[in-house]
Amino acid sequence: DQQVKQNSPSLSVQEGRISILNCDYTNSMFDYFLWYKKYPAEGPTFLISISSIKDKNEDGRFTVFLNKSAKHLSLHIVPSQPGDSAVYFCAANFGRGGKLIFGQGTELSVKP
Amino acid sequence: NAGVTQTPKFQVLKTGQSMTLQCAQDMNHNSMYWYRQDPGMGLRLIYYSASEGTTDKGEVPNGYNVSRLNKREFSLRLESAAPSQTSVYFCASSQGPANTGELFFGEGSRLTVL
Repeated sequence: DQQVKQNSPSLSVQEGRISILNCDYTNSMFDYFLWYKKYPAEGPTFLISISSIKDKNEDGRFTVFLNKSAKHLSLHIVPSQPGDSAVYFCAANFGRGGKLIFGQGTELSVKP
Repeated sequence: NAGVTQTPKFQVLKTGQSMTLQCAQDMNHNSMYWYRQDPGMGLRLIYYSASEGTTDKGEVPNGYNVSRLNKREFSLRLESAAPSQTSVYFCASSQGPANTGELFFGEGSRLTVL
């Protein structure tokens, strides 16, 4: 039973436009939600996180929105750049710590 | 800074063979983790070590053992490999068990079990 789900395996956007990656979760007890980015043949790298007590966190071109009532979070990338092309994983944890539960990933392709 | 280093990067095993994946971090982190990534499944936690001297099971520990050799090193052992253990394995580290989930990952070790 997947507690964190990314229902879109892939997403293609034009350079300069907005990319929106979505993630749904089932357990309302999660404390932190995170996004990781992964290039081929590399390990995932941390991108941005949000506490369950917040509804928005912004870091440069990246913004994460959390809708607790819908058990949904999204990552917005504005403007999208070709270097953003990668697989994006949504993750969540209980309390603190690195015991993360990951979604399946969404492959983003940003076309010039 | 090397960060998190895993060896080997690639390995092919026959069913029943044993092997150890090595991981070392040079960031003076307290906590270390082993995840596996399978197509359509995301990453799943196998074992973790919150601090030197402690290890605990994660979501999918069956068929694996771990050793936290010292603060820097955390190894993952497959005693009798099975085809279901074909996967990409990632080691990760973090400052400590109280961090918000920011992990530093190695580049991965691709294991094929025939």
